[in-house]
Amino acid sequence: NAGVTQTPKFRVLKTGQSMTLLCAQDMNHEYMYWYRQDPGMGLRLIHYSVGEGTTAKGEVPDGYNVSRLKKQNFLLGLESAAPSQTSVYFCASSYSIGQGQETQYFGPGTRLLVL
Amino acid sequence: EDKVVQSPLSLVVHEGDTVTLNCSYEVTNFRSLLWYKQEKKAPTFLFMLTSSGIEKKSGRLSSILDKKELFSILNITATQTGDSAVYLCAVGNAGNNRKLIWGLGTSLAVNP
Repeated sequence: NAGVTQTPKFRVLKTGQSMTLLCAQDMNHEYMYWYRQDPGMGLRLIHYSVGEGTTAKGEVPDGYNVSRLKKQNFLLGLESAAPSQTSVYFCASSYSIGQGQETQYFGPGTRLLVL
Repeated sequence: EDKVVQSPLSLVVHEGDTVTLNCSYEVTNFRSLLWYKQEKKAPTFLFMLTSSGIEKKSGRLSSILDKKELFSILNITATQTGDSAVYLCAVGNAGNNRKLIWGLGTSLAVNP
């Protein structure tokens, strides 16, 4: 049981390049989330999904797109990377019903540097 | 606007000390309060609290919620160097599609 996994672990991009971050979970969770974490800013929600085929904007969605084509996968795309997107990106997932439904389980993170 | 405030922002103690971390919140339709520990990687879940006055305990860590005064505390007794981490508090809103409102965290350093 791998839990939540993220690829890649680390990436360097040049301004204007695009990339996709992949999140996968094997816990059969309905809900998935993408966060970014920056010093002094805490965890900020970028986009989230309440089920396969659905996505919604979070607190800081500009410059990012997401897709949830399969229940276990949640992709985060940067179409044209900017230095302001240098950050650590975390994916998380949670159940939809029952006790502990707010408990989010996190992946190990992707460190992204945009030059 | 919903918000979660943690204090102190940072704390340095010696091994064996007891520490108390605070989390206050102003959130409409409160559902739950969660504590996470973050070492140099992903946050890991510690506790979820939904009812006032009921202590949750795991080893040397314990936490309690006061829904009247809108705060929670996380206690760590007999601290060890392995307790050094950032402790995050988050609050769940009942109607918010399972989104959590996060505090900025308390950075705890335990010196030998």
